[in-house]
Amino acid sequence: GENVEQHPSTLSVQEGDSAVIKCTYSDSASNYFPWYKQELGKGPQLIIDIRSNVGEKKDQRIAVTLNKTAKHFSLHITETQPEDSAVYFCAAMNGQGADGLTFGKGTHLIIQP
Amino acid sequence: ETGVTQTPRHLVMGMTNKKSLKCEQHLGHNAMYWYKQSAKKPLELMFVYSLEERVENNSVPSRFSPECPNSSHLFLHLHTLQPEDSALYLCASSQDAGGRAETQYFGPGTRLLVL
Repeated sequence: GENVEQHPSTLSVQEGDSAVIKCTYSDSASNYFPWYKQELGKGPQLIIDIRSNVGEKKDQRIAVTLNKTAKHFSLHITETQPEDSAVYFCAAMNGQGADGLTFGKGTHLIIQP
Repeated sequence: ETGVTQTPRHLVMGMTNKKSLKCEQHLGHNAMYWYKQSAKKPLELMFVYSLEERVENNSVPSRFSPECPNSSHLFLHLHTLQPEDSALYLCASSQDAGGRAETQYFGPGTRLLVL
């Protein structure tokens, strides 16, 4: 089955700086890679996703890159703001079966004022 | 709001109790999922339902029993749980399950504490 590794487990950055979270996956058949943000007391919320037919996707301050050869993908947040503080999860899915998402362990992002 | 609601939001139960968690989605989706989220561990997929039929059961102990009476509702029946079952239980839904990768939308979760 799929295995997703996520680093770092905790990331502290100054407000206004950029944050990068990295994930690797093991199943070369995986073709869908979403990123979720989870705030305290809430369920994970999808913030951006990428499919294997593209290498990069951007939505305002958030971007995701995918390297299929190396089997890794990254989340980039620019101009970080206090409301970006949360736990971020990467995930991977093989769209050929009925499997759910395989998640990484999460990154606790702390934005220092 | 994601269109997926869960009740109750918090639940405390003894090991001999029977309780049920409820999930409802208002998105017109055909697939629903149960995940378990424990501290320091990745979200773990428990069950997948597609068009009210169970299509995935990830070696979950029988003390957890899912039920999907229709495509909008999903239940998780709990019976004689153990303290290590304490966790956040998340429900999610997607347009379909299998065939192609689908975006999943999560509810807020039920925080369960087993004493």
